[in-house]
Amino acid sequence: RKEVEQDPGPFNVPEGATVAFNCTYSNSASQSFFWYRQDCRKEPKLLMSVYSSGNEDGRFTAQLNRASQYISLLIRDSKLSDSATYLCVVTKSGGSYIPTFGRGTSLIVHP
Amino acid sequence: GAVVSQHPSWVICKSGTSVKIECRSLDFQATTMFWYRQFPKQSLMLMATSNEGSKATYEQGVEKDKFLINHASLTLSTLTVTSAHPEDSSFYICSARVLAENIQYFGAGTRLSVL
Repeated sequence: RKEVEQDPGPFNVPEGATVAFNCTYSNSASQSFFWYRQDCRKEPKLLMSVYSSGNEDGRFTAQLNRASQYISLLIRDSKLSDSATYLCVVTKSGGSYIPTFGRGTSLIVHP
Repeated sequence: GAVVSQHPSWVICKSGTSVKIECRSLDFQATTMFWYRQFPKQSLMLMATSNEGSKATYEQGVEKDKFLINHASLTLSTLTVTSAHPEDSSFYICSARVLAENIQYFGAGTRLSVL
């Protein structure tokens, strides 16, 4: 089993739709969780950190479920500009902070 | 967010030559930087962790003699692809961790094409 797994998609949705991605992780001792966004042929950019209490930033909501070892990202009112690959990142516990990336979920928002 | 500068952004070279890629943290000090490689339509793969003042830690399957990493200062790490071959053509990205935030920021990446 891979350390961090994501459904690669693509998720093809119309503008205005609500879409949700999940990401599962295998290491129960994982410490920190993030969602990054990567546009084609560009570097990943931090979208949001994920906390146990959940967090929201505008149209984006992230949740962490430690018991089931997954994190989720919900995008409401999708825009064309949301089209990108969304990467789940999990860091191991301990001082070394080694980040592990999921392979990413591709989102395509169409008119 | 913090700024990480990576240079060059694009390299085309002949097979057998060596290519050096620089990664700089512009507004913070980074004791640890990471080097990734990404092939088309694939995920980021961690190649090595660069530690300031000490040897880099390479991931399994990454040849340390082929991918030389130097982290001589708190703001600069370099990756040298030695004797590059066409199969080394890829997108190489560095990142640096901001300790206080526990977040890593990425350089813009270097697209390497070996002819």
